[in-house]
Amino acid sequence: NAGVTQTPKFRVLKTGQSMTLLCAQDMNHEYMYWYRQDPGMGLRLIHYSVGEGTTAKGEVPDGYNVSRLKKQNFLLGLESAAPSQTSVYFCASHGAAGWHEQYFGPGTRLTVT
Amino acid sequence: GDSVTQMEGPVTLSEEAFLTINCTYTATGYPSLFWYVQYPGEGLQLLLKATKADDKGSNKGFEATYRKETTSFHLEKGSVQVSDSAVYFCALSARKLSFGAGTTVTVRA
Repeated sequence: NAGVTQTPKFRVLKTGQSMTLLCAQDMNHEYMYWYRQDPGMGLRLIHYSVGEGTTAKGEVPDGYNVSRLKKQNFLLGLESAAPSQTSVYFCASHGAAGWHEQYFGPGTRLTVT
Repeated sequence: GDSVTQMEGPVTLSEEAFLTINCTYTATGYPSLFWYVQYPGEGLQLLLKATKADDKGSNKGFEATYRKETTSFHLEKGSVQVSDSAVYFCALSARKLSFGAGTTVTVRA
């Protein structure tokens, strides 16, 4: 039981490049989230999903897209990376019953130069 | 809207010292309150929670009491260890999970 995993762990992009971050969970959770963590700002919600095939915008969705084609996977895409997207990205998930307790992945550190 | 304010860090302590991290919240209704901990290089983990007023959450020697009258959920530990060095986040859950900015705690041997 791996919990929530994220790939890659680190990535450096140049401005304008694109990439996809993958989040996978093996707990059969309905809900999945993408956050970014920036110094002094806590975690801010980018996008989330309440089930396979559904997505919704969070607080800071601009510049990101997501997809939830399979229940266990939640992908975060950056179509044209900008330096302002330099951050640590965390994925989290929870089941329908225990929605207060989110399980987090180890994070992806992204640098955009 | 719903929000959480927690004391700014960083906080540096010696082993066996007493730790308090203040957290206050603004919310409509009756949110649940949480403390999450992030150890170096890892994701966040739930440390403790309280779902109604006057509840006390506790785990690993940490405690926090849900105080509705002061809209607070302060985290305390009586005797910290080096292994408690981490970033601590206060959070509330209403329609979504809202996090404070985090407080970095370093415990020196």
